[in-house]
Amino acid sequence: GAVVSQHPSRVICKSGTSVKIECRSLDFQATTMFWYRQFPKQSLMLMATSNEGSKATYEQGVEKDKFLINHASLTLSTLTVTSAHPEDSSFYICSARSDGNQPQHFGDGTRLSIL
Amino acid sequence: AQSVAQPEDQVNVAEGNPLTVKCTYSVSGNPYLFWYVQYPNRGLQFLLKYITGDNLVKGSYGFEAEFNKSQTSFHLKKPSALVSDSALYFCAVSPTGGGNKLTFGTGTQLKVEL
Repeated sequence: GAVVSQHPSRVICKSGTSVKIECRSLDFQATTMFWYRQFPKQSLMLMATSNEGSKATYEQGVEKDKFLINHASLTLSTLTVTSAHPEDSSFYICSARSDGNQPQHFGDGTRLSIL
Repeated sequence: AQSVAQPEDQVNVAEGNPLTVKCTYSVSGNPYLFWYVQYPNRGLQFLLKYITGDNLVKGSYGFEAEFNKSQTSFHLKKPSALVSDSALYFCAVSPTGGGNKLTFGTGTQLKVEL
């Protein structure tokens, strides 16, 4: 149980393109989803927290107009990297949890490469 | 503010030997503590958690962790390591009822050799 699917697993695109990443909880309802960014050989950096039906809460230093998050249902959250540039290249990972006492369950990540 | 320290960047152990991956934390109140494992180019897999109760927590794949409040530690252990345990391990903490924002340690690379 507690499977989180993230798609796509890898994206390579040109600078200026917008990229959408989907995160789905397959066998549970995710009241909260989280988006992280991970740089090579580093830990995860929380970008934002999204609750179903409300606006995402962004961490300090994360541009909300650059990284658009939508949590339209209890099983789906999307992260759109708008007008992506090479410095946005990274490994993006989502997680989801059902309630406060449950652990976060993570997707397999999306490797984004902007040329 | 909460924080997590994993003092070892890498731990090497021979297959069949016990392993320990260290973690200490700092948080206000009673912590929620977690261990996750990450294989190359993959997301994190949940191993175990401590919220309350028995200080010794048993998790997936034979791993366990011991919560020590006086030492603010939550070390990950396994009695007999396998080569397949080689991966990156993250300790994480969340404050009690704090919306469950996780703060991760910097990770420890575990290498199990034959």
